[in-house]
Amino acid sequence: EIVMTQSPATLSVSPGERATLSCRASQSVSSNLAWYQQKPAQAPRLLIYDASTRATDIPARFSGSGSGTEFTLTISSLQSEDFADYYCQQYNSRGPITFGQGTRLEIK
Amino acid sequence: QVQLVESGGGVVQPGRSLRLSCAASGFTFSSYGMHWVRQGPGKGLEWVAVIWYDGSNIKYADSVKGRFTISRDNSKNTLYLQMNSLRGEDTGVYYCARGGGWKVGWLDPWGQGTLVTVSS
Repeated sequence: EIVMTQSPATLSVSPGERATLSCRASQSVSSNLAWYQQKPAQAPRLLIYDASTRATDIPARFSGSGSGTEFTLTISSLQSEDFADYYCQQYNSRGPITFGQGTRLEIK
Repeated sequence: QVQLVESGGGVVQPGRSLRLSCAASGFTFSSYGMHWVRQGPGKGLEWVAVIWYDGSNIKYADSVKGRFTISRDNSKNTLYLQMNSLRGEDTGVYYCARGGGWKVGWLDPWGQGTLVTVSS
C-alpha cells in the first residue's frame, strides 16, 4: 500500500496571502494524484486531478504541481472561503487508493 | 445536475449487518465506476471500495475485505455497500462518489454522506 504523508498538519495563513500544502508518496505515483477540499459538515470537493488539472468550476487561485513522490497544492491569495481541510489522494497503484491524513488550513 | 444521495445509515450493534444505497442522477450511471469512502468521527478520509462501470472489476480496502461487498444495479442507477460483521471502528460517515478518468481514480462528485454508528 502506498502511504501518503501531508505536511504540515495545520497551516496558519492570513487572508490574501499564499498557502503552500505538501503531499509526499512513499513510492512513485507518477501524476496520479488528486486534491480535495472539505469544509465542516460537508462532503469533500475535488480541486485538482492528474496532479495539476483543475476540476470544473475551481478558481484559478488553486494550482497543483509535482510528480513522482512530491506534490504541492498552492492557493495564491487566500479567500475566507478557502479555510478548510485539504486531502491528497493517489490512484496510481493496482492496490488500494490511499489518502493523506489531511492539512487543516486556518486563519492566522 | 449530477447528484448522489446516500441512504441506509443508522445505529447497529457490533457483529450485525447494514446495507447502504447510493442513488445517482444527472449522468449516465452505467458509464462510470463508483467508490465508497468513509470518515470516522474527527478523522480523515478512508477509501473503502470501488466498482467498475459494468461490475467487471472490484477492489476493497484491506480493513473491509471479506466483510463488505460493493455492488451496483445499473437499471436502477443505484450503488450499494453491504456491510457484515460490523465493528466499532466501522463507525463514521459513508460517502459514495463517482470515479473519474480511465483509472476511475479521482472522485467527483461526492454524495452528502450517511452516518453509520456501530455500538451496543
